[in-house]
Amino acid sequence: EDQVTQSPEALRLQEGESSSLNCSYTVSGLRGLFWYRQDPGKGPEFLFTLYSAGEEKEKERLKATLTKKESFLHITAPKPEDSATYLCAVTDSGNTPLVFGKGTRLSVIA
Amino acid sequence: KAGVTQTPRYLIKTRGQQVTLSCSPISGHRSVSWYQQTPGQGLQFLFEYFSETQRNKGNFPGRFSGRQFSNSRSEMNVSTLELGDSALYLCASSLGVLADEQFFGPGTRLTVL
Repeated sequence: EDQVTQSPEALRLQEGESSSLNCSYTVSGLRGLFWYRQDPGKGPEFLFTLYSAGEEKEKERLKATLTKKESFLHITAPKPEDSATYLCAVTDSGNTPLVFGKGTRLSVIA
Repeated sequence: KAGVTQTPRYLIKTRGQQVTLSCSPISGHRSVSWYQQTPGQGLQFLFEYFSETQRNKGNFPGRFSGRQFSNSRSEMNVSTLELGDSALYLCASSLGVLADEQFFGPGTRLTVL
């Protein structure tokens, strides 16, 4: 059974203080790993898809990387508007439904 | 282009009642998935429809059901509501089969009293 664990559960950063969020996964044949951002009271917003170890993708202050066992979401010089819950999800080669982690709640303080 | 829309946005029901939630996917998207989100369990997959056929179903009791219409709009129904059904119900659409980039709606907040 596919499993996703995200750490830390919550992270508080000062504006400009770079950090990384972790997503470790157990899956039999990774097909794709997905990162989403969710603001309170809203649905998740798609950020990135990663398919193979070594792959990296960037968007503004965010960069996602993938290894064979985990993914990192690096946040460079975060701003208060980056405050949100970041969700990681995986699907395997059997095209099974997305399995989500419980998320990391990020707070960026000005 | 318009995003995924869900109606209603908020619902309050009592135990034993039933409820129907509606989802309109992004124009051109043929796959619709439903998820339940709670603070304790996070996001859990309910079911996925593609071209009016259920392709996958999560580990939920038979009280949870869904369907998809020829225009790709989807509904989910929960019968005999229980207190534990209180959650945010999210719909996501994608162009093709499950695991493509999914776009989520704002959700329906269901409260069961």
